[in-house]
Amino acid sequence: QSALTQPPSVSGSPGQSVTISCTGTSSDVGSYNRVSWYQQPPGTAPKLMIYEVSNRPSGVPDRFSGSKSGNTASLTISGLQAEDEADYYCSSYTSSTTLVFGGGTKLTVL
Amino acid sequence: EVQLLESGGGLVQPGGSLRLSCAASGFTFSSYAMSWVRQAPGKGLEWVSGISGSGGSTYYADSVKGRFTISRDNSKNTLYVQMNSLRAEDTAVYYCAKDWFPRLLTLTLDYWGQGTLVTVSS
Repeated sequence: QSALTQPPSVSGSPGQSVTISCTGTSSDVGSYNRVSWYQQPPGTAPKLMIYEVSNRPSGVPDRFSGSKSGNTASLTISGLQAEDEADYYCSSYTSSTTLVFGGGTKLTVL
Repeated sequence: EVQLLESGGGLVQPGGSLRLSCAASGFTFSSYAMSWVRQAPGKGLEWVSGISGSGGSTYYADSVKGRFTISRDNSKNTLYVQMNSLRAEDTAVYYCAKDWFPRLLTLTLDYWGQGTLVTVSS
């Protein structure tokens, strides 16, 4: 199972919006709504930010939103804040009953 | 409060074995599928294995199939992974993680432990 494709890095200034893409195949992202996004600041464990494409767990700010079209999912962070600087990973359930992650995207808040 | 505490990591020689444990608390352990996810130094996340709440169904990444065995003891609220025939490329921080929905393997992981480091080197 190949990793999902994410851009290595994105950046934005405070208050701006950024979008991180996550491209898979018809065997994962394209066939299932079990797409999640995780935030991982340096030296910490990942934190679930979005589940089932567009749902936010309790406590996650509504500045974080998710969507999907075909084989590509996206995470949008609006109103960027310094605390959003972290690595972000997408994941998807697959047709083999496994989980595949994206390669990760480093978000820099300028 | 959900807590997951991994242990058992350390230095092991190539070809060796190691068993990791993950002690869970703060939720009904037997109702939730669990997973192991690893992260090599400076690299991204890689799902390793998952297990149903009852322990009756197990799933593996191709990279560890036949070498790693996931299991759980619901009476002790503990998740395990037995790692055999270890290779240098197995060097990573290993996280245990809880599935977010009860009684289903969704592989949406809502709580993670802090991880334990496994180093495979001679």
